[in-house]
Amino acid sequence: AQTVTQSQPEMSVQEAETVTLSCTYDTSENNYYLFWYKQPPSRQMILVIRQEAYKQQNATENRFSVNFQKAAKSFSLKISDSQLGDTAMYFCAFREEGSQGNLIFGKGTKLSVKP
Amino acid sequence: DAGVIQSPRHEVTEMGQEVTLRCKPISGHDYLFWYRQTMMRGLELLIYFNNNVPIDDSGMPEDRFSAKMPNASFSTLKIQPSEPRDSAVYFCASNSPAHGGNTIYFGEGSWLTVV
Repeated sequence: AQTVTQSQPEMSVQEAETVTLSCTYDTSENNYYLFWYKQPPSRQMILVIRQEAYKQQNATENRFSVNFQKAAKSFSLKISDSQLGDTAMYFCAFREEGSQGNLIFGKGTKLSVKP
Repeated sequence: DAGVIQSPRHEVTEMGQEVTLRCKPISGHDYLFWYRQTMMRGLELLIYFNNNVPIDDSGMPEDRFSAKMPNASFSTLKIQPSEPRDSAVYFCASNSPAHGGNTIYFGEGSWLTVV
């Protein structure tokens, strides 16, 4: 069974600095998708960034980028120039290609951006 | 485009009462998911539909929970009778893999408190 592990329950960063959130996963599949979702205090689940496993290039969305290491089954999220609005829970998630069902979520990392 | 729309956003009800949560998926999406989020268990998939047909309901906790999707633009999750341990945030989500949509998009959630 696939699993997603986020080893950092909580992290903090100073405003304008860079922070990296870790995520590892376990799968025997070769084709899959990885996601980072943000959940602010409002509880809404917001997609931050996604990565297709067949793509070697790391995905980037403005201040958010990932370091995808397929062999190591690692998918970390880097937030550059952190802003107060980045304060939220961040969830790493995995989905098999062809499996239109379940997203497997990690337990989440609570990120606090300090002024 | 409108996102996934859920109602109610918040509901407080007494133990034993029936609760109905509603969801309108993104237009054109043929997959619909119901997730539950609690502190103890994190995010868990309850059930998902494809073209209005339930595909996997193995995550539905017990017979008190039922979900329906009478048409492509509406789904309900019903709890009857409700219990305090059902208190959670319930998310509806949708996607459309056939149209290249590998991302599952979430609604804002329904925050249920059973007292």
